[in-house]
Amino acid sequence: NAGVTQTPKFRVLKTGQSMTLLCAQDMNHEYMYWYRQDPGMGLRLIHYSVGEGTTAKGEVPDGYNVSRLKKQNFLLGLESAAPSQTSVYFCASSYGDSDRHFGDGTRLSIL
Amino acid sequence: RKEVEQDPGPFNVPEGATVAFNCTYSNSASQSFFWYRQDCRKEPKLLMSVYSSGNEDGRFTAQLNRASQYISLLIRDSKLSDSATYLCVVGTYGGSQGNLIFGKGTKLSVKP
Repeated sequence: NAGVTQTPKFRVLKTGQSMTLLCAQDMNHEYMYWYRQDPGMGLRLIHYSVGEGTTAKGEVPDGYNVSRLKKQNFLLGLESAAPSQTSVYFCASSYGDSDRHFGDGTRLSIL
Repeated sequence: RKEVEQDPGPFNVPEGATVAFNCTYSNSASQSFFWYRQDCRKEPKLLMSVYSSGNEDGRFTAQLNRASQYISLLIRDSKLSDSATYLCVVGTYGGSQGNLIFGKGTKLSVKP
């Protein structure tokens, strides 16, 4: 039972490049989330999904897109990376109103 | 507007000490409350949920005061392994519709 798995673990991008972060969970959770964590800012919600085929905006959605084509996967896309998107990205999932189960994060640097 | 506020610390305490963390929240409609623990360069992990009547899990005690919109975490007999950042987390309806607000965390360092 792997829980929540994020790929890649690390990535360096140049400004303007695009990339997709992949999150996979094997707990059959309906809800999935993407957060970013920056020093002094705490965790902030980017987008979330309450089920396959659904997505919704969180607190800081600008510059990101998401897709939930399969229940177990939640993809986060950066169409045109900017230095302000340098951060640690965490995916999480939950069963209903329960706590969040987090992946171990993706460290993204944009030069 | 700071929805969930915590003292950032760091709290530097000796092994065996008792330490208390406090957290205040601004949304009176909040219904779910948690403490998470985050080790350096790791993901947050649930430490415990916080219930209105207060709850205890071994050396950890969490309390909620809805009238004052205040949450606390007490750690007794601190261990070196308790060193981490503790995140106060507050949710509005259910907490599942993306509406969990994470505090910035309080850093604890337990010294020998």
